[in-house]
Amino acid sequence: NAGVTQTPKFRILKIGQSMTLQCTQDMNHNYMYWYRQDPGMGLKLIYYSVGAGITDKGEVPNGYNVSRSTTEDFPLRLELAAPSQTSVYFCASSLTVSGANVLTFGAGSRLTVL
Amino acid sequence: AQKVTQAQTEISVVEKEDVTLDCVYETRDTTYYLFWYKQPPSGELVFLIRRNSFDEQNEISGRYSWNFQKSTSSFNFTITASQVVDSAVYFCALSEVFTGTASKLTFGTGTRLQVTL
Repeated sequence: NAGVTQTPKFRILKIGQSMTLQCTQDMNHNYMYWYRQDPGMGLKLIYYSVGAGITDKGEVPNGYNVSRSTTEDFPLRLELAAPSQTSVYFCASSLTVSGANVLTFGAGSRLTVL
Repeated sequence: AQKVTQAQTEISVVEKEDVTLDCVYETRDTTYYLFWYKQPPSGELVFLIRRNSFDEQNEISGRYSWNFQKSTSSFNFTITASQVVDSAVYFCALSEVFTGTASKLTFGTGTRLQVTL
């Protein structure tokens, strides 16, 4: 059982380049999330999805786009990379249960924009 | 707005010492959930515990225990007889409660625990 898989683990981008962080889960979770973690800070929610075809903004969505065409996949796209987007990105998923859901996180993707 | 404060940025202890990680939260919700996650040096986040606002009973799981006090808006985490493997960053998080909707967690800034021999 792989859980939540993120690729790539590391990436260096130049300012203005674009890229997609991939996220796949095999737990049949309907909810998926993207968080970013800046040094010395907690995780901040970028986007989330409650199911295929449905996405919504989190706390820090500017500069990012997402799509959810299948239950399993939730890619995060950076269109014009900026140094402020240097961070560690975590994808997570959860299942619908009563009350607040427990999130299962991927291993993270470290992105550096130079 | 929800807020989670972990005032301890970094704690260093010697193995076998007990250590308490503090977490103070703010929310206007009367119903909410609190979480602790562990982030070891490998980087992934590992779920440790979830507690709802109606349940103020303390919980013990092996060497870990949690003290939830609604009156002081605190959800502290104690590791008894710490071990080197406990070295990690620990995050406290808060979530609003809406059945059937996504859990949007608000995280604290984390406490880095260093356990040495």
